[in-house]
Amino acid sequence: QVQLQESGPGLVKPSETLSLTCTVSGGSISSYYWSWIRQPAGKGLEWIGRTYISGNTDYNPSLKSRVTISVDTSKNQLSLKLSSVTSADTAVYYCAGGGAPEWWGQGTLVTVSS
Amino acid sequence: QTVVTQEPSLTVSPGGTVTLTCASSTGAVTSDYYPNWFQQKPGQAPKALIYSTSNKHSWTPARFSGSLLGGKAALTLSGVQPEDEAEYYCLLYYGAAQGVFGGGTKLTVL
Repeated sequence: QVQLQESGPGLVKPSETLSLTCTVSGGSISSYYWSWIRQPAGKGLEWIGRTYISGNTDYNPSLKSRVTISVDTSKNQLSLKLSSVTSADTAVYYCAGGGAPEWWGQGTLVTVSS
Repeated sequence: QTVVTQEPSLTVSPGGTVTLTCASSTGAVTSDYYPNWFQQKPGQAPKALIYSTSNKHSWTPARFSGSLLGGKAALTLSGVQPEDEAEYYCLLYYGAAQGVFGGGTKLTVL
């Protein structure tokens, strides 16, 4: 069974870059789609983007200028970088895998504050 | 900007049947949007229920079904159980690439 675990700083300062890592176990990151999704407190889900090992990566147009999703096959890890963050980027960030996606991490809260 | 619209809230009695819908601001939802449905309970990560319109994951209870209905994607719960009380989200893929979530439907079992 595929399991995902997000990790990274829980607090990021405004204007800085948010960096998260997702470690995948029980499956190869060289297969399937891998996605990042976020959820501000008390609000709905927002699709950030997804990547496939072929190199195809799609992003939410509203975030595209600030976001990078990449894969490290040697570590079986997925990463997210979001630059120039503001308080509006405060959210629980989820990594997820599969086409739906069907496998989800537990999520990690990232707060943007000075 | 593409908007995906769901009913904000619905209420159903235990044992009853309820249908949640998912509409696109671009027009009719078809299987080309690969409609997906997720269930989220408070404090938990979302759980995938339905993919590509009507396909169930191995863990999806039989009482959940997906379809296209009147130009929208639909999730029907038949024989609703108290544990089905949750927030439900649809996810559509545009051009088989960009994903957009609906705003979610809060389902109350009462």
